[in-house]
Amino acid sequence: SYELTQPPSVSVSPGQTARITCSGDLLPRQYTFWYQQKPGQAPVLMIFKDSERPSGIPERFAGFSVGTTATLAISGVQAEDEADYYCQSVHITGKGLFGGGTKLTVL
Amino acid sequence: QVTLKESGPTLVRPTQTLTLTCSFSGFSLSTDAVGVGWIRQPPGKALEWLGLIYWDDEKLYSPSLKSRLTITKDKSINQVVLSLTNMNPADTGTYYCAHIPGSGGYWYFDLWGRGTLVNVSS
Repeated sequence: SYELTQPPSVSVSPGQTARITCSGDLLPRQYTFWYQQKPGQAPVLMIFKDSERPSGIPERFAGFSVGTTATLAISGVQAEDEADYYCQSVHITGKGLFGGGTKLTVL
Repeated sequence: QVTLKESGPTLVRPTQTLTLTCSFSGFSLSTDAVGVGWIRQPPGKALEWLGLIYWDDEKLYSPSLKSRLTITKDKSINQVVLSLTNMNPADTGTYYCAHIPGSGGYWYFDLWGRGTLVNVSS
């Protein structure tokens, strides 16, 4: 299916590990990319090619993909990690799509 | 240092055509596999991919907007232009342009502009 599904919200206490999933039929064949968006700001790339971290992104952000589900894991969550997170992939036609976004709340 | 900046009208009337310009620096649209994409976000809603243009002028458009959307580039002045016809209130939102790094078989946005808010209202 030409869509990516994310949970609308995830809540975690500071210091714990947050896991945000992204599901889609194309994910076994295509890479997943993750963006963080804080209120009033443009998105920031956090993970590319399923699991690679751009320079400057803290090591507590990690990504992996198994079958039809990709996961963004944030270990040792901090208050500053509270944001919306979006997954993105590319269909085999070259056309792109985003997931519906997940609001991470740090309790 | 790569930077991108969107510019254009903040208010558009229904049925009009929206024209937005993405002015960029720090990279060239003559470089292999590099591209610029457009993304929008209605207030309080999710990101939506609109389309992109590559260094070699290949263009890809969202199926839902393909009949209304055109993306062009002017390498000489480092600009990419988005045109969206027949605007309606559902097109209200923040429009972003973003840099696509050179890669093979996939693309993503490694750097984004700050976005520009467009309101469609009579």
